[in-house]
This record gives sequence, structure tokens and C-alpha cells, in this order.
Amino acid sequence: EPEVTQTPSHQVTQMGQEVILRCVPISNHLYFYWYRQILGQKVEFLVSFYNNEISEKSEIFDDQFSVERPDGSNFTLKIRSTKLEDSAMYFCASSDLRGTEAFFGQGTRLTVV
Amino acid sequence: DQQVKQNSPSLSVQEGRISILNCDYTNSMFDYFLWYKKYPAEGPTFLISISSIKDKNEDGRFTVFLNKSAKHLSLHIVPSQPGDSAVYFCAASAENTGNQFYFGTGTSLTVIP
Repeated sequence: EPEVTQTPSHQVTQMGQEVILRCVPISNHLYFYWYRQILGQKVEFLVSFYNNEISEKSEIFDDQFSVERPDGSNFTLKIRSTKLEDSAMYFCASSDLRGTEAFFGQGTRLTVV
Repeated sequence: DQQVKQNSPSLSVQEGRISILNCDYTNSMFDYFLWYKKYPAEGPTFLISISSIKDKNEDGRFTVFLNKSAKHLSLHIVPSQPGDSAVYFCAASAENTGNQFYFGTGTSLTVIP
């Protein structure tokens, strides 16, 4: 069964450092997303990506965040200068059609120290 | 701004009985609703969805009911099994929110053998 894969599963970084979270969406999907879940809180939308550009983004997705689809398979989330409050589980997701169910990866636990 | 609410953080049910998980929403433009199941240290897994043109969708042991006038949906699991123990999130999207899914805070279901 096709699945979304994310690497690494756990990333520890020092405050102020840049991190890149990687995702391989399901191959025939066209819409890609990043969500995050701070421990004990709800799953929050960060950004959606379609046709090589951002289609929507939330208030959380400020100038410190960027996304890229550098080749035909990977979808990355970059945080330029991490803050303590960026510590969370980051989930990548993809879907084949607009507004249909999104399939999530296992997540990357980001810990900023 | 909590557009999707799950007011019960936890629910315990005996094996074999019915589990009913509830979700309320505030945005009357939402037209597509989903339930996701999440185990610890894993990403959300799509369970079942319903569009606003229906009031019920059934898939095996899982049934989702939508009451548009009350802005309420529920997930029924019958019979409940110990393997159903997980956190359940409801999510919603609308034509004018594009690809963004709004998640509730989740309900932790424990099915007692």
C-alpha cells in the first residue's frame, strides 16, 4: 500500500539552527501539506502546496518557514532559525484531489533545545 | 479560533459496545468532514469521510453521521474492539478553504477488554 514517508523520525537541534524535514509523498498525489502537533495540542495546518507553489498557508507559517519540492519525489519543510516553540511533531501529508482525504506520514519529532 | 471542536478529551467503552465520538463545528461553509485515527508516535490515519450532501456514511464497523443544522457530526464504532483504542480526530474543509483541513483537538478512546 502506498504511503507517505518522512525522515528523520526524530531531530534534535539547537535554538537558532536551521532544520530541513523531508517527506516523500505518495507518488501520484498532487497536493502536499505540512501539519504540526505540539505535544498535547491539536493538529495544526501549516501549508499546502500544489503545482510547484504554495496554495495556502497559516499564520504559523511565517518567514522562518519555507517549503520546496526539489525534485519529482521529495517535499521539504525548512525552518531557518528554530525557536523553542517550534518543538512539535511535524506531519507531511498528500492527497490526489483537492479537498479529499489526505494521507499522513509517520511524522518527524522536532526537539529544539 | 477553534472552528472544529471535540469537547470530550477521553472516552472509555467496554469491548463489544458502541463508541460514539462527537465533533462540533462553527463554520457553516464546511462541506467535507473526515475522521482520523492516531496511535502514539504515528501519523493520523484516515478512517472515514462524509460530504455535506449526505447525512450518513458507513464503512464496516464505522459510521459517520452529519447533522448540518446542528453543525455536529459523530463517529459510531460498533462493536468496539481493543484495537480501536487510539486518539480520534475529526477534521473539516470547505470549498473556500481549499486544501486546508481544520482539526479538532482529539478524543482519546479506550476500549476495555
